[in-house]
Amino acid sequence: QVQLVESGGGVVQPGRSLRLSCAASGFTVSGYGMHWVRQAPGKGLEWVADIWANGNNKDYVESVKGRFTISRDISKNMVYLQMDSLRAEDTALYYCARDMAFYVYDYWGQGTLVTVSS
Amino acid sequence: QSALTQPASVSGSPGQSITISCTGSNSDIGTYNYVCWYQHHPGKAPKLVIYDVSNRPSGVSHRFSGSKSDNSASLTVSGLQAEDEADYYCASYSSTNTLVFGGGTKLTVL
Repeated sequence: QVQLVESGGGVVQPGRSLRLSCAASGFTVSGYGMHWVRQAPGKGLEWVADIWANGNNKDYVESVKGRFTISRDISKNMVYLQMDSLRAEDTALYYCARDMAFYVYDYWGQGTLVTVSS
Repeated sequence: QSALTQPASVSGSPGQSITISCTGSNSDIGTYNYVCWYQHHPGKAPKLVIYDVSNRPSGVSHRFSGSKSDNSASLTVSGLQAEDEADYYCASYSSTNTLVFGGGTKLTVL
């Protein structure tokens, strides 16, 4: 069955980097758009980034442009989120989600927690 | 501040119906029929309950329905059950090639 498992979260100082991973099983990431969505403590959901099924198109929320990079490795069936120049406001639970149509998420992972603090 | 506006909370008794509103703009809900609703129980992965304004995914109860009018969308949950108690988020594709979410609505089943 379809499963998404995030990893790579942790506590990091402001200005440092972290790479999140999303391991997909039960389907191939090359056939779907894949997205990252985050939820800051006590806040709502926020879309962060996506990579289209073609692998060439990528989009980012304005607040992370130039700092975050989404990518995928088809051979490993993995999706990544490279987060550089981290800020306190990036502290959140980061979810990986599969796009079944057009920004419609039919499967989500359980999330990985990122805490940016000195 | 979220791009889409939802009430912070709604409540209803078992068996009753409730409606959650989601107000956007001409840049999102008003232009596109790509509105989704997600149910989120804390500590669990969000679950898709409505997509493309009013479509229900396979396996989602018929008690969930969605609609849209102008710049606003709505989620109605009929025949409330205890298990419906959760946070609900609307989301819409936006003209900026991004997805915007509402701030979330906490549904309490009394």
